[in-house]
Amino acid sequence: DAKTTQPNSMESNEEEPVHLPCNHSTISGTDYIHWYRQLPSQGPEYVIHGLTSNVNNRMASLAIAEDRKSSTLILHRATLRDAAVYYCILNTDKLIFGTGTRLQVFP
Amino acid sequence: EAQVTQNPRYLITVTGKKLTVTCSQNMNHEYMSWYRQDPGLGLRQIYYSMNVEVTDKGDVPEGYKVSRKEKRNFPLILESPSPNQTSLYFCASTNSGSRWNEQFFGPGTRLTVL
Repeated sequence: DAKTTQPNSMESNEEEPVHLPCNHSTISGTDYIHWYRQLPSQGPEYVIHGLTSNVNNRMASLAIAEDRKSSTLILHRATLRDAAVYYCILNTDKLIFGTGTRLQVFP
Repeated sequence: EAQVTQNPRYLITVTGKKLTVTCSQNMNHEYMSWYRQDPGLGLRQIYYSMNVEVTDKGDVPEGYKVSRKEKRNFPLILESPSPNQTSLYFCASTNSGSRWNEQFFGPGTRLTVL
């Protein structure tokens, strides 16, 4: 199964940008890169996804390396509500969750 | 409001006592699935369903059953629960099994088997 590697934890201050990295060196040509996040005591929540090009939506931006072996989720201005576990997932017909990156946001 | 609901949210039971966790979605999604979440292991898929009357095993199906008689409902059945099934369970749905669609997750059911 396609695997991703993320740092266990990251920290940010409120209103600063956050760059969450993800390595997926075994990605295949048809795998979509998905990001989900899980707020405390809630189910996972979709954030963004992409295939080759960088993507933007109201929640975040996704920057995908040219070789597609890594990607970065960008939160442009972190808020306290963004404190969560962020999962980078390769959608190969199903979502395979790793252990994600726990993001702490400080006021 | 578009949502996935699960019941119960919390359940404590004893070994061997059959239980069902219900899952319902109001988005007319074809694809539904069940996950369990355990510390250090992330979320693992138990079963999934591509449509009514079509179900298949995920990565950790042992000890679980599912059914999909209606499009909106996808109950998870534990015929004889054991302590190793103590976990946090999530139901999810999406428009199809396509790899570009977002999945919507329920709020979770925390199950403790004594």
